[in-house]
Amino acid sequence: ETGVTQTPRHLVMGMTNKKSLKCEQHLGHNAMYWYKQSAKKPLELMFVYNFKEQTENNSVPSRFSPECPNSSHLFLHLHTLQPEDSALYLCASSSQGPEGQYFGPGTRLTVT
Amino acid sequence: AQKVTQAQTEISVVEKEDVTLDCVYETRDTTYYLFWYKQPPSGELVFLIRRNSFDEQNEISGRYSWNFQKSTSSFNFTITASQVVDSAVYFCALSDRDSNSGYALNFGKGTSLLVTP
Repeated sequence: ETGVTQTPRHLVMGMTNKKSLKCEQHLGHNAMYWYKQSAKKPLELMFVYNFKEQTENNSVPSRFSPECPNSSHLFLHLHTLQPEDSALYLCASSSQGPEGQYFGPGTRLTVT
Repeated sequence: AQKVTQAQTEISVVEKEDVTLDCVYETRDTTYYLFWYKQPPSGELVFLIRRNSFDEQNEISGRYSWNFQKSTSSFNFTITASQVVDSAVYFCALSDRDSNSGYALNFGKGTSLLVTP
């Protein structure tokens, strides 16, 4: 298994749908992150989990709901999204030290 | 305030040219970490290098080299003899203790590098 996996890789959903993005890391890390990358915008940190506890929520709308059941898995539950939420959603993990974050391949989300 | 500035939005070079990607950072911490990531068209961010604030030695890895200068708060990245496969978006990032969440990263806006044959 590669370090950080994300499913699905591509997702198209309507504004009234409910879907979930999944991230799994096989690196033994304790911290996991969700980032949003929109076209022509910098990477935006959305959520941070350390040892399964959410430690940061960067003013993300409530239509995005994260879940971290254990240190290896991270979910992003989506409901009633807007077209402007279309973006690449990247998951990352890291140890507690400064070694840097390792990223998954991302989920390309399109909201219609 | 933006912590990491990558002033070059897009760069286009011809294969075999050398190219330098600029990164300027801002922090009040004495202990911090700098990173470069590569994002090819596939989308995944690939870790290239980490440098801590106490180590100003320049580093070379194959065709890649990094120039860290605390005096100018810069951490520039040079690709020597560029190749088409180097085409990607490159991100510089900073991690310091101003972050509320351990070592979460502050990313620059990225520099899109296009290497043409």
